[in-house]
Amino acid sequence: NAGVMQNPRHLVRRRGQEARLRCSPMKGHSHVYWYRQLPEEGLKFMVYLQKENIIDESGMPKERFSAEFPKEGPSILRIQQVVRGDSAAYFCASSPREFTEAFFGQGTRLTVV
Amino acid sequence: AQSVTQLGSHVSVSEGALVLLRCNYSSSVPPYLFWYVQYPNQGLQLLLKYTSAATLVKGINGFEAEFKKSETSFHLTKPSAHMSDAAEYFCAVSRFNSGNTPLVFGKGTRLSVIA
Repeated sequence: NAGVMQNPRHLVRRRGQEARLRCSPMKGHSHVYWYRQLPEEGLKFMVYLQKENIIDESGMPKERFSAEFPKEGPSILRIQQVVRGDSAAYFCASSPREFTEAFFGQGTRLTVV
Repeated sequence: AQSVTQLGSHVSVSEGALVLLRCNYSSSVPPYLFWYVQYPNQGLQLLLKYTSAATLVKGINGFEAEFKKSETSFHLTKPSAHMSDAAEYFCAVSRFNSGNTPLVFGKGTRLSVIA
């Protein structure tokens, strides 16, 4: 059973471009969580999704950020018009049910130049 | 709201010495608590978790943590440090009072092990 798969592992974008981060949860997991880790900081919760539904997006910036978890395919975290402050590691975690242990992917490291 | 404070952003120990990483939490109801380890350029791996059962929790790689309600603490210990323990360690508390996830993380403690 493969773990949580995130791609790409590293992503470089110029200011103003769009960044698209993908997360394939573990097999059988229908709950996905996105976290952001800034340098020298812990992980900050961004959004919690179930298949086709956003359950909690209280940690998402109001503008430029969006997330989806379609019925088929991976979860996508989209950042439009990236700025240097978006440079961070973005981690995805998945769990089989609500309120169970979550398993983390290896992260996508976004660098905005 | 729940929060976690990790005391000491960087801890250095000698190989074979005791490892003690401190974590204090704030929660209005009994929390679920976790310790994760992160190796360079890797994701987070769960070391152990407290979910209101035994207050002394044993995890992987010889680590354990004790939940102390009176001190609102959940410190991580290991009797004898190994070079391979060098990593970043994160304490986390469940964000919602009713379960494990999503999680609120501390800022992390970087553990260095000196030969």
